[in-house]
Order: sequence, then C-alpha cells, then structure tokens
Amino acid sequence: AQRVTQPEKLLSVFKGAPVELKCNYSYSGSPELFWYVQYSRQRLQLLLRHISRESIKGFTADLNKGETSFHLKKPFAQEEDSAMYYCATSRGNEKLTFGTGTRLTIIP
Amino acid sequence: DSGVTQTPKHLITATGQRVTLRCSPRSGDLSVYWYQQSLDQGLQFLIQYYNGEERAKGNILERFSAQQFPDLHSELNLSSLELGDSALYFCASSVFGLPTDTQYFGPGTRLTVL
Repeated sequence: AQRVTQPEKLLSVFKGAPVELKCNYSYSGSPELFWYVQYSRQRLQLLLRHISRESIKGFTADLNKGETSFHLKKPFAQEEDSAMYYCATSRGNEKLTFGTGTRLTIIP
Repeated sequence: DSGVTQTPKHLITATGQRVTLRCSPRSGDLSVYWYQQSLDQGLQFLIQYYNGEERAKGNILERFSAQQFPDLHSELNLSSLELGDSALYFCASSVFGLPTDTQYFGPGTRLTVL
C-alpha cells in the first residue's frame, strides 16, 4: 500500500530563514505528488503539484526518485507561511494518500 | 459560493446516536470524497463517489455509510456513534474523480460525541 511519511509533526522557523518540509513516499515508479496547505481558519487547498513544476508563494518541491522524497522548500520564510502542510501521493488508479501533516510556525 | 459546502458546521451528539453530514460539490465536479481528520490520525480517506456510484473505499467503518444523489450532493451517515468518532469530517470534490485530480475541500463538519 502507498505510504507517505512526514517525519516532522511540528516545525518552527524564523522569519527570513529557509524552510524545508520533508516528505518521503514508499514505492518506486512515477507517482503523482502534491502538497496541500491549510491556513488558519481556511480550508485545505492545493499548494502545488509535481507535474506542474511550478513555484507557488515562493515554494518549490523537487521529486528525488532515488531518495523517494518530495520535500517542500522556500528560501525565505514569511509569517503568512504559518500553516499545516500535507504531502500527498497517488499512482495509477490508486487513491490519493495524505501524510500526517507538518505544522509550520514562522517566528517573527 | 460555488465552492464545496458542508453542513452542519458543528454537531454535538451522544454515544449511540446517528447523524448525517451533508456535502455539495463545486459546480461541475462529478466526484465527492469523504475524509476524517482526528488529532492523532491525520487525514484519513473514507470513501469516494463518482457520478452517483461508489468508486473507492478507504478506512470506513461498517457503522458509516455514504451516498451520492442524482444532483451530485453527498451524505455521510454515521451510526451507533462512539466517543472515538469525534473528529473533523471533510468533504472534497474533483472534476473526474481521478487520483491525479486536484481535490477541492469543504470547510469541514466538526463532530463531537459526548
């Protein structure tokens, strides 16, 4: 079965410092990978997806097949980045599977 | 609001009772998903419907059931409620119900079982 691991439940970073949220997935091949975000008092929403190779709100995520990772990165954290972040993956017809999430807090 | 809507926002009930949660998908979306979010379990997929038919099943208990109606809204029925069923229940929708679809989430229903 698919498995997504986000090893950090909580992550605190100072404003202006780089951010890296870790995500590892458990199987080989070419999965679809996503990052979803939930800001305070807002709904869960898609932040970015691997296939689009885009940068959203300064965040990027690179797929590393060798390490089976899809870490989310941002060079300079901003206070508005404080949120809950979920990594998710799917492959073929298998359902989207979410990790347990990382709560990111940006310290002013 | 053309986004995903869920009612009610909050629900407080007693053990042994039965409740129904309702979800209306985004306009144009044919697929609906239900998730349970509890503090220690993260976001757990329960069940998915596409155009009225069940498409995928996750960790849904036998005490729980769902359906999607011809107008595409969906209901999640939770019966014989236990304290451990207290959680946030999210509905999401997508256009084609494919695993690669972007899912659009509703605001959730917070269920408290006393």
